[in-house]
Amino acid sequence: QVQLQESGPGLVKPSETLSLTCTVSGGSISSYYWSWIRQPPGKGLEWIGFIFSSGSTNYNPSLTSRVTVSADTSKNQFSLKLSSVTAADTAVYYCARHLSYIAAARDWGQGTLVTVSS
Amino acid sequence: SYVLTQPPSVSVAPGQTARITCGGNNIGSKSVHWYQQKPGQAPVLAVFDDDDRPSGIPERFSGSNSGNTATLTISRVEAGDEADYYCQVWDSSADHPDVVFGEGTKLTVL
Repeated sequence: QVQLQESGPGLVKPSETLSLTCTVSGGSISSYYWSWIRQPPGKGLEWIGFIFSSGSTNYNPSLTSRVTVSADTSKNQFSLKLSSVTAADTAVYYCARHLSYIAAARDWGQGTLVTVSS
Repeated sequence: SYVLTQPPSVSVAPGQTARITCGGNNIGSKSVHWYQQKPGQAPVLAVFDDDDRPSGIPERFSGSNSGNTATLTISRVEAGDEADYYCQVWDSSADHPDVVFGEGTKLTVL
């Protein structure tokens, strides 16, 4: 059973870069699609982007200018960087796994709250 | 970009059947996935590929998808089914695959 765990600062200042890491255990990140998804307080889910096992990425068009997703296979981790954050980026951030293209996000991390505030 | 439309809320009495819809242009041509999210918890996959259930999800949960509407059906609703439900598809209309979520539906058990 694969497990995912998000980690990173819980507080980020406006205009700075949000950085999170998802550590995967029980399975290799060298396969599958790995997504970042966020949920502002009291609102719905928003897909941020994914990285495929080959290293290719794709991002939500509304965030693509500020987002980078990368992977470190030696640590079995993948990461999210979101630049120039504002209060609107305050959310619970989840990492998740899809078994293939068009597949559901079958496995999720517990989520981590990131607050953007000075 | 592709848009999925869900009703904000659905209410049902215990023991009755809840139906939550997810509308999208020709959604019947896509695989639809449904997630259940309880307060303070991460989403859990409830139905995938329109009508399949992961292990551990009760048979009371089922799905269908045709035309412009996908539906999550919960039979014999229990108090523990009260949660937010999200539909999700992959959209490749812009020559790169995007993951799209509906806005979510709050299921209230009366």
